[in-house]
Amino acid sequence: DTGVSQDPRHKITKRGQNVTFRCDPISEHNRLYWYRQTLGQGPEFLTYFQNEAQLEKSRLLSDRFSAERPKGSFSTLEIQRTEQGDSAMYLCASSFRLAGGLTNTGELFFGEGSRLTVL
Amino acid sequence: SQKIEQNSEALNIQEGKTATLTCNYTNYSPAYLQWYRQDPGRGPVFLLLIRENEKEKRKERLKVTFDTTLKQSLFHITASQPADSATYLCALDSSVAGTASKLTFGTGTRLQVTL
Repeated sequence: DTGVSQDPRHKITKRGQNVTFRCDPISEHNRLYWYRQTLGQGPEFLTYFQNEAQLEKSRLLSDRFSAERPKGSFSTLEIQRTEQGDSAMYLCASSFRLAGGLTNTGELFFGEGSRLTVL
Repeated sequence: SQKIEQNSEALNIQEGKTATLTCNYTNYSPAYLQWYRQDPGRGPVFLLLIRENEKEKRKERLKVTFDTTLKQSLFHITASQPADSATYLCALDSSVAGTASKLTFGTGTRLQVTL
C-alpha cells in the first residue's frame, strides 16, 4: 500500500457543473477525512467518516456538497452546481482509530489533493 | 471565538541556523498538538505530535514545545538546510471531549532557508 491516493489531481470545470472526487485511503485505516485548502490558508475541515458512517460535517459544508464512503473503503466527494468560490484544493486524509475507547492521537495521512478550478 | 495563529509572514533564515516557528491558540483545550510540513502543490506530511502533559518532544533536528498555560507551541529546526524550506502547519485536536475526530489547522508559516 503506497498511501492515500486521490483522483483526479486536477479538475477544471465551468460554473454550474457537477464534479466528483475520489479518495482511496490507506487500506487498514478506518477513518477518512475531507479537507479543503485555499491559497495561503491551512486545510479546513469538511467532514469525516468512521468506517462507512459519516460522523461529522462542517457547518461550512453547503447542501451542494455530499460525501459518501459506501463500503468503508474509498470515498467520493461530490460538488453540485459548482461556484467560483469552490475553487480550492480538496484534500483527503485517513487515520486509524483504536477500538475499545483507547486513546488515538489522530495523526493524519494526507493524499496529494485534487485541485479544482471553477471558471 | 476559537483561533489558531501562526506567523503569516515568511520566515527567512540562513542555512545552519535554528528556525523557530510559533503557534498560538485561543479558546481551545487540546489534548495534543501536531506539526505538519507541506510542500507546494502537495498534501501535508505529519512531523511530530506533542500531548498536553508533555513539555517537549524531539525527533532528529526537530523539537516541539507545548505550553498549555501560554496556549502556545514552538517548533524548532536546528542546523537548518535548504531542503527544510516548506510551509509548516500546526494542528490541534478540536473534537468534542478529545475524541480525536477532528484536527483544526493553523494558516501555516512558510520557511525559506538560504545558503
